[in-house]
Amino acid sequence: KAGVTQTPRYLIKTRGQQVTLSCSPISGHRSVSWYQQTPGQGLQFLFEYFSETQRNKGNFPGRFSGRQFSNSRSEMNVSTLELGDSALYLCASSLNRINTGELFFGEGSRLTVL
Amino acid sequence: SQQGEEDPQALSIQEGENATMNCSYKTSINNLQWYRQNSGRGLVHLILIRSNEREKHSGRLRVTLDTSKKSSSLLITASRAADTASYFCATAAGDSSYKLIFGSGTRLLVRP
Repeated sequence: KAGVTQTPRYLIKTRGQQVTLSCSPISGHRSVSWYQQTPGQGLQFLFEYFSETQRNKGNFPGRFSGRQFSNSRSEMNVSTLELGDSALYLCASSLNRINTGELFFGEGSRLTVL
Repeated sequence: SQQGEEDPQALSIQEGENATMNCSYKTSINNLQWYRQNSGRGLVHLILIRSNEREKHSGRLRVTLDTSKKSSSLLITASRAADTASYFCATAAGDSSYKLIFGSGTRLLVRP
């Protein structure tokens, strides 16, 4: 069974630009959640999508958004990029809601904002 | 603030020794999970322990949970150089928030 796939793996943007990251979950998994990892703040929960609906959101500004498609694939978008948005963005999929069991993570998308 | 805090932040041991990492959290939980992350890569699930369980084993891993102290420990026995990684605990809140909160992590170095 294929794992969680995140694209792109690496990207460089400049301040003010926007970025879209993609995540393809494991087949049959209905939940996709996103996390931001930085050296200073660690791993922080961004949001969870389940059955195409955002079910929960972490403490991030409205510049961070996402969506989930009918095939469970998910995208997250960050608009008006700031230097502090430089991070590793991790996507995880799970069979059901994220607090019920194991998460399967992708390798992440490393974003550098210049 | 983060739900889970890990201790120690870094740990260096010799191959063959045991490694113990601790995690403390603040509110009631549904379950607690441990993950491993090799440098700059995705996280790999190690073990999940539910709030009504006290101990769980998986291969060389042993996890304990003390809900009265709001703490958990991960023991890796007979460590190997390949165990070198960062280890994170993650708590799923017991309420309906459905958030998964990660601790700050323990960086483990196993010297050959």
